Amino acid sequence: AQKITQTQPGMFVQEKEAVTLDCTYDTSDQSYGLFWYKQPSSGEMIFLIYQGSYDEQNATEGRYSLNFQKARKSANLVISASQLGDSAMYFCAMRELYNFNKFYFGSGTKLNVKP
Amino acid sequence: NAGVTQTPKFQVLKTGQSMTLQCAQDMNHNSMYWYRQDPGMGLRLIYYSASEGTTDKGEVPNGYNVSRLNKREFSLRLESAAPSQTSVYFCASSEGLAAGELFFGEGSRLTVL
Repeated sequence: AQKITQTQPGMFVQEKEAVTLDCTYDTSDQSYGLFWYKQPSSGEMIFLIYQGSYDEQNATEGRYSLNFQKARKSANLVISASQLGDSAMYFCAMRELYNFNKFYFGSGTKLNVKP
Repeated sequence: NAGVTQTPKFQVLKTGQSMTLQCAQDMNHNSMYWYRQDPGMGLRLIYYSASEGTTDKGEVPNGYNVSRLNKREFSLRLESAAPSQTSVYFCASSEGLAAGELFFGEGSRLTVL
């Protein structure tokens, strides 16, 4: 079974608008971590934000926030005030505590920001 | 501040040839990983090493071998390359904590003809 599902292969957003990238995950573990990475066209993987399964508050990092709904097993990334430089692939990932040496990645969402 | 360094950046092989991808990290991380990235499939784990001296298979280990030479270095070897191994390969490292994110190398683009 897929551990991480990203159902939006591609998305468009107008510059300065907010956008939500969807991510659902599958785990029976109670302790896990959720991550988002950005991959621009240059190819490097850039860590954006982290949410722990026991964190009560949604994580925020600048214009990035993580909408964590534990009961629904979703960890959506919200980018506020989109910029042209946000155009990239975005990957959701999970790390389970019982086997925290394994990271599971989704298939990614390609975000295009239109001027 | 090098982080994770992998070499080579690009390589073209013929079917049946062998090669080794090298990876080194300078962050004193215990865990190291090799992923491959193919279009539409995200990143898939090939092998990982939880600590020096240990290695374990990931999702797609067939056709690959690894060596954790020391705490810093983790190499990936293709003994007999196949066209299906054409991909972008990423080495990564992390602390052995649930909250520790992966730090990635810049990637190695491998083409097998």
